Amino acid sequence: AQSVAQPEDQVNVAEGNPLTVKCTYSVSGNPYLFWYVQYPNRGLQFLLKYITGDNLVKGSYGFEAEFNKSQTSFHLKKPSALVSDSALYFCAVRDGAAGNKLTFGGGTRVLVKP
Amino acid sequence: KAGVTQTPRYLIKTRGQQVTLSCSPISGHRSVSWYQQTPGQGLQFLFEYFSETQRNKGNFPGRFSGRQFSNSRSEMNVSTLELGDSALYLCASSLATGDRGAYEQYFGPGTRLTVT
Repeated sequence: AQSVAQPEDQVNVAEGNPLTVKCTYSVSGNPYLFWYVQYPNRGLQFLLKYITGDNLVKGSYGFEAEFNKSQTSFHLKKPSALVSDSALYFCAVRDGAAGNKLTFGGGTRVLVKP
Repeated sequence: KAGVTQTPRYLIKTRGQQVTLSCSPISGHRSVSWYQQTPGQGLQFLFEYFSETQRNKGNFPGRFSGRQFSNSRSEMNVSTLELGDSALYLCASSLATGDRGAYEQYFGPGTRLTVT
C-alpha cells in the first residue's frame, strides 16, 4: 500500500529565508508525486508534480521540489519565503495503477514571520 | 476557465438524515474525485469517476456513494448520517484518469458538512 509521511507538523521560518517542507513516500512501482497548498477555508491548490525526468521540479509561486529516489523523498523548497506562503502544505502520491487516487501526507503548517 | 464548483458550501444535518453534495468540474475535465478532510484523519480518498464509471473507491462504508453524469458533473450521497461524517468534502477534477499519465487534480472549495 502506498503511503506518504510529512514528519513536521509545523515549520516556522522568517520572511526572506529559505523554506523546506519535508516529504517521504512509499509506493510500489513508479511514484507520481504532487504538492498541494491549502489556504484557510479554501480547497487545495496544485503546486507541482513529479512524473519522471529531471529530479528538480519547478512549480507555481516560486516553489520547487527535489525528487530523491534512493531516499524516497520529495521535499518542497522555496529560496525566499513570503508571509503570504503561510498555509497548510500537503504532499501526495498517486499509484500509477490506481487512476487518479491520491494518498496524502498529514500536512505541514508553514508559518512565515515578518 | 471557471474552476471547480461545489454546492452547497455549508450544510448542517441531523444524525440519521441523508445528504447529497454536488460538484461541477472544470470544463473539459472528465475525471472527478471526492475526498474527505477531517482534523483527525486528514485527507482521505472516497471515490473517482471517469466517463460516468466509478474507477476507484476508498475505504468508506456503503453509506457513501456517488455518481457522475454525462456532462461530467458529479454528486456524492451520504445516507444515515453519523456524527463522524462531519467534515470538509472536497471534489477534484482532472483532464483524464491516470492510466496514461499523471494528471494534476484541481480542487473545489469544498462543502463543509456538520452533523448534529
